[in-house]
Amino acid sequence: EAQVTQNPRYLITVTGKKLTVTCSQNMNHEYMSWYRQDPGLGLRQIYYSMNVEVTDKGDVPEGYKVSRKEKRNFPLILESPSPNQTSLYFCASSRLATYTGELFFGEGSRLTVL
Amino acid sequence: AQSVTQPDIHITVSEGASLELRCNYSYGATPYLFWYVQSPGQGLQLLLKYFSGDTLVQGIKGFEAEFKRSQSSFNLRKPSVHWSDAAEYFCAVAAGGNKLVFGAGTILRVKS
Repeated sequence: EAQVTQNPRYLITVTGKKLTVTCSQNMNHEYMSWYRQDPGLGLRQIYYSMNVEVTDKGDVPEGYKVSRKEKRNFPLILESPSPNQTSLYFCASSRLATYTGELFFGEGSRLTVL
Repeated sequence: AQSVTQPDIHITVSEGASLELRCNYSYGATPYLFWYVQSPGQGLQLLLKYFSGDTLVQGIKGFEAEFKRSQSSFNLRKPSVHWSDAAEYFCAVAAGGNKLVFGAGTILRVKS
């Protein structure tokens, strides 16, 4: 089954404790992206990657890091989480590096930073 | 800068009634436009898209949307709503090669 898999789905952590949210897709997609969803703000792009070893900032990259060492994986790293990073996070992928908007989304990871 | 406005935060319709969700965009060039749906606890799913050509596009689950360049709008419609359509709906515009800009979303409630 074609899917984007995120882990963990739910996480409560404390300020400053490094964490990683993993994302894996099995569709051989070139494009991958991370979004955060906050009430009243819709989805905002954090980082995206057009291919292996190619990443770039989205609209809200501060406090986040990403890497793309393999085509299928695109982990999101919070080096020192803060309460304003409490949010619902979505990983998404698309077949083409030249993005057409046809994104496949994971089920989301709800993160709470105390 | 590109932007998407969904004027209605919440909409409640009766089951069987028609539905229209509004979306206005701001983008200088010809836009690529999308509607996504998010069911509770799920990720987003593509409902339909407009790239060019016929301005009335059909999507999954009986939804359609009409692109009106003069009004910078891309409203989503469904003739008869089912209880399973209760979800949050997002309009989005592809802004350049690598970015999708989302609206804030409209929560649809369906009453029986």
